[in-house]
Amino acid sequence: AQSVAQPEDQVNVAEGNPLTVKCTYSVSGNPYLFWYVQYPNRGLQFLLKYITGDNLVKGSYGFEAEFNKSQTSFHLKKPSALVSDSALYFCAVRFAGKSTFGDGTTLTVKP
Amino acid sequence: GAVVSQHPSWVICKSGTSVKIECRSLDFQATTMFWYRQFPKQSLMLMATSNEGSKATYEQGVEKDKFLINHASLTLSTLTVTSAHPEDSSFYICSARDEGTFEAFFGQGTRLTVV
Repeated sequence: AQSVAQPEDQVNVAEGNPLTVKCTYSVSGNPYLFWYVQYPNRGLQFLLKYITGDNLVKGSYGFEAEFNKSQTSFHLKKPSALVSDSALYFCAVRFAGKSTFGDGTTLTVKP
Repeated sequence: GAVVSQHPSWVICKSGTSVKIECRSLDFQATTMFWYRQFPKQSLMLMATSNEGSKATYEQGVEKDKFLINHASLTLSTLTVTSAHPEDSSFYICSARDEGTFEAFFGQGTRLTVV
C-alpha cells in the first residue's frame, strides 16, 4: 500500500521569507510525486511533479521541490513567500495508476 | 495547461432526489477520469476510477448503486448521486489524466448540499 504524510497541518511564514511544506511518502516502487494547491471551494491546481531525472523540480509560481529517495521525502519550497501563496497544499504519490493524497497543509503567509 | 471543466459548481437538492455532476476535459482526451470526495478540512478521498467505454472501478466502501458513474466519451464523465441524503453533502472533485504528460488536471469541484 502507498501512503503520503504531511506532518504539519499548518505552516505560517512572513511574507518575503522562505517557506517549506513537508511531505514524506511510502511506496514499494518508484513513485510519481506531485504537489497541488487548493483555494477555498475550488479544485486542485497542479504545481509540479517528479517523474524521473533531476531531483530538484521547478514548478509554477516560483515553487520547487526536491526529491530525496533515501529520506522518501518531497518537500515543497519557495525562496520568498507571497501573501497570495496562502492556500491549502496537497502532496500526492501515484503508483500503479492510483493516486494517494496527503491530508494537506494550510499555508498562511502574513504581510 | 489542460483544462477540466466540472459542472455545476454548486447545487442544492432535496433529500431523495438525484443529482448529476459532469466532468469534461476540454482540450485533451482522457481515457481515465477520477472522482473524489472531500470533507471540510480533509484530504481527497478517491471514490472511483472512471474508464471510457467500460465500467467504473469503485473504491472499497463506495456504493456503486448510489454513485453512478458514466464515461461515455473520451472527454466526458458523469457522476450521479442517486436518492441523495444530507450525509451525501460534500465537495466532489473530478480529475482527468493526460496520459502523455502524466499530469492529472482537476475540475473546480462541485459543492453539493442536500436539504
